[in-house]
Amino acid sequence: AQSVSQHNHHVILSEAASLELGCNYSYGGTVNLFWYVQYPGQHLQLLLKYFSGDPLVKGIKGFEAEFIKSKFSFNLRKPSVQWSDTAEYFCAVNRAWRDDKIIFGKGTRLHILP
Amino acid sequence: DAGITQSPRYKITETGRQVTLMCHQTWSHSYMFWYRQDLGHGLRLIYYSAAADITDKGEVPDGYVVSRSKTENFPLTLESATRSQTSVYFCASRGDTGELFFGEGSRLTVL
Repeated sequence: AQSVSQHNHHVILSEAASLELGCNYSYGGTVNLFWYVQYPGQHLQLLLKYFSGDPLVKGIKGFEAEFIKSKFSFNLRKPSVQWSDTAEYFCAVNRAWRDDKIIFGKGTRLHILP
Repeated sequence: DAGITQSPRYKITETGRQVTLMCHQTWSHSYMFWYRQDLGHGLRLIYYSAAADITDKGEVPDGYVVSRSKTENFPLTLESATRSQTSVYFCASRGDTGELFFGEGSRLTVL
C-alpha cells in the first residue's frame, strides 16, 4: 500500500524566510501528487497538484513543488513566507490508474513569526 | 449554494451509542471520501466510494459503516461509538481534475 512521509512535523520561520517542506511517498508506479493547506479553523484546500509533465508545478499564493521521481519526493517550496502562511500543510498521493484512494501524510504545522 | 455540507458540525455522544455523520454534495461527483483527522496522525482514510452502491475500505475502516444509495449522499455511521473515535471527520468529493473538495468537518466527542 502506498504511504506518504512528511519529515517536518512542526516548522517555525520568520517572515520573509524561505520555506521547503519535505514529502516522500512509497509507491513505485505512476502517481498523482498533491499539497493541501489547512488554515486555522478551516477545512483543507488544494495548493497544487502534479499529474504529469513539467515536474516543477506552481500553485496558489506563490507556492511551488518539484517532483523528483528518482527520489520519490514532492517537496513544497516558497521563496518568502508571510505571516498569513501559518497553517498546516499536507502532502497526498494516489496511484494513477490503479485505485482511487488518496492517502495523506501526517501534516506539517507551519508557524510564521511576524 | 454548491458544495459539500456535513452535519452535525459538533456532536457529543456516549460510548456504545450509534452515531451517523451526514455528508451531502451538490456537484454530482462520482467519488466521495471520509477521513478522520487526529493530532499526530494527519488525515486517515476511513472509507471511500466510487459511485452509488460502490464503497471500499480505506486505511482505518474498523468500527465504521458507510452507504451510498444516492450519488449526492455519503453517510458515515459509527455503530457503537468508542472513545478512540473521538476525532474531527471530514467528508470530501473529487472533482474531474482530481482535486478533493472538503466539507467543513464534524467534530465528534465520545464520552
